[in-house]
Amino acid sequence: QKEVEQNSGPLSVPEGAIASLNCTYSDRGSQSFFWYRQYSGKSPELIMFIYSNGDKEDGRFTAQLNKASQYVSLLIRDSQPSDSATYLCAVLLSGGGADGLTFGKGTHLIIQP
Amino acid sequence: NAGVTQTPKFQVLKTGQSMTLQCAQDMNHNSMYWYRQDPGMGLRLIYYSASEGTTDKGEVPNGYNVSRLNKREFSLRLESAAPSQTSVYFCASSEVGQYEAFFGQGTRLTVV
Repeated sequence: QKEVEQNSGPLSVPEGAIASLNCTYSDRGSQSFFWYRQYSGKSPELIMFIYSNGDKEDGRFTAQLNKASQYVSLLIRDSQPSDSATYLCAVLLSGGGADGLTFGKGTHLIIQP
Repeated sequence: NAGVTQTPKFQVLKTGQSMTLQCAQDMNHNSMYWYRQDPGMGLRLIYYSASEGTTDKGEVPNGYNVSRLNKREFSLRLESAAPSQTSVYFCASSEVGQYEAFFGQGTRLTVV
């Protein structure tokens, strides 16, 4: 079974520090990778996507992809209390598309003031 | 700008009752999905519809049926609710080739 794995946490990071969230996937042919943020009691919202090896930066967020090692990570710089949420990694598996994305179980991030 | 709209937001059912969760999107997306989210289990796909007129089973389809009424609407039906179906249900949509999923606000369902 093709899987997407995340450490469930909680991951506790002091305000202003860098939060590093990791995700591994088993399907080597996976094509596209997404990070969603989900606040408690709310629906997931997309914050980043990455298709190619390397880094992609958007404001305080950086997504990193290493297809050879089959991992994708999300870095949050200058962490703020408002970043406290569950972060879901989602992967478009090889041969996929019609059935959408496969989600990890999420990492609960706590930013301590 | 509504995006994906789900109704109802909350529902309590008795075991054996039936109900339909409604979902509509105004983004002209071809693909629509129903997920359930349980603590520690992440988002699990129940059913999906790649285009109007087609539906397919996802990871956890047992106990559910779906209807893709038209391009905008995709409903999820529980014919005989069971306590194991207590969950938060999310509808989502995406465009073919883009795969970014847009989610509705969710339906919190409790079966007693």
